[in-house]
Amino acid sequence: DQQVKQNSPSLSVQEGRISILNCDYTNSMFDYFLWYKKYPAEGPTFLISISSIKDKNEDGRFTVFLNKSAKHLSLHIVPSQPGDSAVYFCAASGTQGGSEKLVFGKGTKLTVNP
Amino acid sequence: GAVVSQHPSWVICKSGTSVKIECRSLDFQATTMFWYRQFPKQSLMLMATSNEGSKATYEQGVEKDKFLINHASLTLSTLTVTSAHPEDSSFYICSARRGLAGGWAYFGPGTRLTVT
Repeated sequence: DQQVKQNSPSLSVQEGRISILNCDYTNSMFDYFLWYKKYPAEGPTFLISISSIKDKNEDGRFTVFLNKSAKHLSLHIVPSQPGDSAVYFCAASGTQGGSEKLVFGKGTKLTVNP
Repeated sequence: GAVVSQHPSWVICKSGTSVKIECRSLDFQATTMFWYRQFPKQSLMLMATSNEGSKATYEQGVEKDKFLINHASLTLSTLTVTSAHPEDSSFYICSARRGLAGGWAYFGPGTRLTVT
């Protein structure tokens, strides 16, 4: 049972354009959402997060949007740069049964072409 | 920013032996740490949530007797893979959460385990 879903395994965009990465979740207990960037054989690096009480959070070129009713969030990168090429993981955090969880999607590989 | 370290970064062991992986938060206290494993070209799979001073909470399908987790202090959690088999070969990553629930989770660099 996949609680956090990233349905696009890969995305290719041109430098300077917008990259939009999508994520869906199924469990209503999640109340905090995060995006991580990951390179091979390294741990994920935190990018940006959003609390379930908000619908938008912006940090420089990165903006995360949350649609709680649709259980959907997205990460917008604009303008995209070649250095943004990496695998992006969506993660959801919450407490269930007294235990905290931080669950990841399968990731989307972003390639930004010069 | 906060730093989380893992040791060792890679290890090769023989089938049937046990391997211990350490996860340390270097400049903050982490009441909660998470252990993940990642197979090639797949996502990070949450194995267990480790809470300081109490038993770890394992995800469904993860054998608690095989993957022993100890969170003895606010800066150290260990994962011991007991009686390792080749199918346990994977990339193991820990993360430590700083602050209140929902706060940022910082990740270690990962440990590559190869069981021969």
